[in-house]
Amino acid sequence: EAQVTQNPRYLITVTGKKLTVTCSQNMNHEYMSWYRQDPGLGLRQIYYSMNVEVTDKGDVPEGYKVSRKEKRNFPLILESPSPNQTSLYFCASKLQETQYFGPGTRLLVL
Amino acid sequence: AQKVTQAQTEISVVEKEDVTLDCVYETRDTTYYLFWYKQPPSGELVFLIRRNSFDEQNEISGRYSWNFQKSTSSFNFTITASQVVDSAVYFCALKGIGGYQKVTFGTGTKLQVIP
Repeated sequence: EAQVTQNPRYLITVTGKKLTVTCSQNMNHEYMSWYRQDPGLGLRQIYYSMNVEVTDKGDVPEGYKVSRKEKRNFPLILESPSPNQTSLYFCASKLQETQYFGPGTRLLVL
Repeated sequence: AQKVTQAQTEISVVEKEDVTLDCVYETRDTTYYLFWYKQPPSGELVFLIRRNSFDEQNEISGRYSWNFQKSTSSFNFTITASQVVDSAVYFCALKGIGGYQKVTFGTGTKLQVIP
């Protein structure tokens, strides 16, 4: 089954404790991206990757890092999470101009 | 700069009523894509439709229909004979064509269908 997977789906952590949210797609898509969704703000892009080893900032990259060492994986790294990073995070991959989203990761930073 | 406006924050309808979700956009691009996504209470984002700016034909898929009006920069979504399973947040989105163009999402419309 073609899909985008994210792990974990739910995460509660404390300020400053590094965490990684994994994202994997099995569709061989070159393009992948990360979004965060906050009430009243819709979805905002954090980072995107056009291909392996090619990443670039989206609209709200501060406090996040990404890497793209292989085509299928695109992890999101929060080196020192803060409460304002509490959000719902989506990974997506794209084929022919349409993005397909993972199931989302709910993050709470205390 | 691109902008997508979904002025309706929340809508409630009674089951079997028709409902239209509005989407108005702004872009300087002459060619672009428009999208609708559905986010049910379970939280995932489900792709519904993609429309090219050079194709203004309306589209119907079962109870869903989309009305693209380039002259008014609108891409409205109508659900006919709404059902409880239609309860979700719906997002409209816009993307330019060519090169790398980011996707701009609206803030979403929450639709509640009451049985």
